[in-house]
Amino acid sequence: GQSLEQPSEVTAVEGAIVQINCTYQTSGFYGLSWYQQHDGGAPTFLSYNALDGLEETGRFSSFLSRSDSYGYLLLQELQMKDSASYFCAVLGGYQKVTFGTGTKLQVIP
Amino acid sequence: DTGVSQDPRHKITKRGQNVTFRCDPISEHNRLYWYRQTLGQGPEFLTYFQNEAQLEKSRLLSDRFSAERPKGSFSTLEIQRTEQGDSAMYLCASSQAGGLDGTQYFGPGTRLLVL
Repeated sequence: GQSLEQPSEVTAVEGAIVQINCTYQTSGFYGLSWYQQHDGGAPTFLSYNALDGLEETGRFSSFLSRSDSYGYLLLQELQMKDSASYFCAVLGGYQKVTFGTGTKLQVIP
Repeated sequence: DTGVSQDPRHKITKRGQNVTFRCDPISEHNRLYWYRQTLGQGPEFLTYFQNEAQLEKSRLLSDRFSAERPKGSFSTLEIQRTEQGDSAMYLCASSQAGGLDGTQYFGPGTRLLVL
């Protein structure tokens, strides 16, 4: 089976940098994705890592270490609109995607 | 391209009734996923289609749940004899085989309330 762990809540100041960690245990692994979800909205794709290392997309970066079964999402220059829940998700065998329980990010002025 | 659409957006039903939800994926996407999400939790995988074939189904999905994708385009999810525990947001997502496999595009969801 699959299990993913993320912190439940994180608070950070506008303009700062925040890192959201994700550790996973999986019976099959192809890659780690990150999604953002605002209250009442649908998840939206942020990034995907299939190989070890850092992927950068604008203010967001994502890192993966397959040997450590660990990844993180890095958000820079935080804005108030970044307040949302962030989910890591493992792409496993048979194209099944397993989501973590999510990290609720609150950005404060 | 209008994205993934779902219908209805909201559904209120009485316990014991049957409900059916529809999902229209992005037109060129051949993979379609159904998820259930409750408050404070991540989306929970229910089932997955590649074209019209249902390739994977969660063991959590009871016999009351069934999904179809008859022509490899839109999909329906039916819940028979609804229970209060079925109250949740039902999300549909699509992706393209051969693309960046981690990318799924979600619809707005159908929020179900079982009274």
